[in-house]
Amino acid sequence: GAVVSQHPSRVICKSGTSVKIECRSLDFQATTMFWYRQFPKKSLMLMATSNEGSKATYEQGVEKDKFLINHASLTLSTLTVTSAHPEDSSFYICSATAPVSAKAEAFFGQGTRLTVV
Amino acid sequence: SQKIEQNSEALNIQEGKTATLTCNYTNYSPAYLQWYRQDPGRGPVFLLLIRENEKEKRKERLKVTFDTTLKQSLFHITASQPADSATYLCARQKNRDDKIIFGKGTRLHILP
Repeated sequence: GAVVSQHPSRVICKSGTSVKIECRSLDFQATTMFWYRQFPKKSLMLMATSNEGSKATYEQGVEKDKFLINHASLTLSTLTVTSAHPEDSSFYICSATAPVSAKAEAFFGQGTRLTVV
Repeated sequence: SQKIEQNSEALNIQEGKTATLTCNYTNYSPAYLQWYRQDPGRGPVFLLLIRENEKEKRKERLKVTFDTTLKQSLFHITASQPADSATYLCARQKNRDDKIIFGKGTRLHILP
């Protein structure tokens, strides 16, 4: 099946620094990718929809200047957490729907565990 | 706005029995209801999708139903095994390319 790769899987950064997370569709082109955030023992919360070649669509309450999304190519979307603070520590997951999939299933990356110290 | 709810936070089932998880939605029926499995520290993995006009879908030991009258989807695992222990997420989607919104999930424990 389709593969979505996310990198890095874990990152620790200092408060005030920025962290970039990459999400790649390895064997298909994805015009749309989605970024989620998940707190321990909680469900996935949709942060934004990443659209290739255009601006991302952010969900209500998500700061677009804080979480910068760039979808520069059909196989790569990046999420940059700017001026990170400890409360940004979370599990970030991306997903994409393969265009050839008739099932509308989403393929998820393995997630990135961000810890801000 | 439409909500999707999984009211059971956790469920313990004896090995070999059928595990049944519930997902309810409010307001209008989503075009798609999906079920995912998530293991700790990993991304969700797609299991089954059922469309609004379908009543039941099966895949090996898994079965999903969609009842638009009750506004509910049930997810069944028959002949459950300890390896089935995980968090199971119900999700809705308005159409094929739309964002997927998840319920809170149910942590399933299959007891040996």
